[in-house]
Amino acid sequence: DVKVTQSSRYLVKRTGEKVFLECVQDMDHENMFWYRQDPGLGLRLIYFSYDVKMKEKGDIPEGYSVSREKKERFSLILESASTNQTSMYLCASSFTGGGYTFGSGTRLTVV
Amino acid sequence: GQSLEQPSEVTAVEGAIVQINCTYQTSGFYGLSWYQQHDGGAPTFLSYNALDGLEETGRFSSFLSRSDSYGYLLLQELQMKDSASYFCAVRPVKAAGNKLTFGGGTRVLVKP
Repeated sequence: DVKVTQSSRYLVKRTGEKVFLECVQDMDHENMFWYRQDPGLGLRLIYFSYDVKMKEKGDIPEGYSVSREKKERFSLILESASTNQTSMYLCASSFTGGGYTFGSGTRLTVV
Repeated sequence: GQSLEQPSEVTAVEGAIVQINCTYQTSGFYGLSWYQQHDGGAPTFLSYNALDGLEETGRFSSFLSRSDSYGYLLLQELQMKDSASYFCAVRPVKAAGNKLTFGGGTRVLVKP
């Protein structure tokens, strides 16, 4: 089974902190994604990557950056956390043309 | 651009049939996918329609009609464990990689 592992299930950070969310997949997928999920707003794409060191902005990239130095790892960075970034963050991976496999999510609270 | 509309919530009893519609406005896409997400869990892939017509997987079926800009997920013989949120998604033709755009999700509540 494909596994997508997110490093933390729950995180609490302070406003202004730099926050790193880590995601690792074990099936050699070329594509990796970061979504945030908020009640009533569904899944919104923050950033995605279709190859090592390649990244593209999604629909809501402001306040975020990403890093993909290795194929299996895709990191989401909140440069200066703000309360409006309190959310559930979901990482996913896939082959091109294939369905997504999601991680279990990281519930981030910024206080 | 892409926009997918789903009802926000559906309630039904065990054993019933539920149809979750997904209407979309998009400039072109490869196919329509459906994902299931239980409360507190990760979304999981359910089905994919590349072509028009019906795809059946056990109690769940999915349908696509490109000419009508419409698709649906059909849940039959509802069970309590089917209580979850269901998302439709499309992969735009012009998108790099395997980017999906998701609908807002439909929360299905199954009652005894």
